[in-house]
Amino acid sequence: GQQVMQIPQYQHVQEGEDFTTYCNSSTTLSNIQWYKQRPGGHPVFLIQLVKSGEVKKQKRLTFQFGEAKKNSSLHITATQTTDVGTYFCAGVFSTGSYQLTFGKGTKLSVIP
Amino acid sequence: NAGVTQTPKFQVLKTGQSMTLQCAQDMNHNSMYWYRQDPGMGLRLIYYSASEGTTDKGEVPNGYNVSRLNKREFSLRLESAAPSQTSVYFCATAGGPDTQYFGPGTRLTVL
Repeated sequence: GQQVMQIPQYQHVQEGEDFTTYCNSSTTLSNIQWYKQRPGGHPVFLIQLVKSGEVKKQKRLTFQFGEAKKNSSLHITATQTTDVGTYFCAGVFSTGSYQLTFGKGTKLSVIP
Repeated sequence: NAGVTQTPKFQVLKTGQSMTLQCAQDMNHNSMYWYRQDPGMGLRLIYYSASEGTTDKGEVPNGYNVSRLNKREFSLRLESAAPSQTSVYFCATAGGPDTQYFGPGTRLTVL
């Protein structure tokens, strides 16, 4: 079946260091979304990328969608303790499909 | 405006028991979803309902049934619970093929 691979599975950083998580699909995606889940919480939508090569920023977070629409990344600049949680990418494979295929997530720990 | 609500929040079952997880939304969304989340496995889709009156299997439907009772409510039933169904279950809704809004989850343990 169609899968979205996400790496790394875990990342431990010192507060103030940067962090990046990557997602890859073997087939072209219609769009990709990113979610954040705080410990003990539920996934919360961060952003959606639709266009080839798209780059979006939210304060210290930068999201990119690859030119071939098969890969994406989330980069956090100067991490803070509030960034702790698991970050998931979720791909939509067919235009108009309502199904998301989630990556396994990257769990971020920030050491103060 | 509660968004997406799930009941119960916690449940412990014995193997072979049955139960129904309830999900309700007041966002007037057409699509509703049930996921399970296991450590290191991310979120896996069990069933979804693109609109009232329709349901479809997701990635891991075995051992589960669903009912889209009306536009607001989407329930997940375990007919004969097994330890492999120990998990956190999330309900989600979407107004279209984009943002999904998740409920707080149900933490289920099957002994």
